[in-house]
Amino acid sequence: QVQLQESGPGLVKPSQTLSLTCTVSGDSISSGSYYWSWIRQPAGKGLEWIGRIYTSGSTSYNPSLKSRVTISIDTSKNHFSLSLSSVTAADTAIYYCARDRTNGFDYWGQGTLVTVSS
Amino acid sequence: DVQMTQSPSSLSASVGDRVTITCRASQTINIYLNWYQQKPGRAPKLLIYAASSLQSGVPSRFSGSGSGTDFTLTVSSLQPEDFATYFCQQSYILPRTFGQGTNVEIK
Repeated sequence: QVQLQESGPGLVKPSQTLSLTCTVSGDSISSGSYYWSWIRQPAGKGLEWIGRIYTSGSTSYNPSLKSRVTISIDTSKNHFSLSLSSVTAADTAIYYCARDRTNGFDYWGQGTLVTVSS
Repeated sequence: DVQMTQSPSSLSASVGDRVTITCRASQTINIYLNWYQQKPGRAPKLLIYAASSLQSGVPSRFSGSGSGTDFTLTVSSLQPEDFATYFCQQSYILPRTFGQGTNVEIK
């Protein structure tokens, strides 16, 4: 069974960098069969795709966040990571990692709430 | 970006009702449309992919149709566990975009 688990600080100060890691089990992120994405959801609101990475390290980002986002991958640890710089209160959200098979996100992490506050 | 617009934003229904949710894309997306169900405090769950293909393990009362710009998700007979929020999402082009969601409530 494929499982994804987000980890990282739940509280980040304004102007600092949000860093999260998604650890994958039950599948190898180096298999080359899927992309691996980050998606966020402000409380009570809709879903926003942040970006994705392939096993090769190739990335694609949402233009709305591109200047502040970096997604990286560590195949030896079977995990991928999100870094979002210069955060503001508008970045407060539940952050999900998900397996992206092009035709939909078929496995998701449980999500982790990140609050931006001083 | 491709804008995805769902209607209605919310609806009230009873157990056993047939429910239909609509999703419209701002440009053609062929059949690259997926549907998700989300319950409070949980991650979204993939129900339908490629407009009409049922994800493994999803009950057959869920079905999807459409192509181009107009799509529908239908629940043939609403069950108590189906009360949730439903999102559409296009996978035709980057960035991936989602509809704003449809909240299905108990009447």
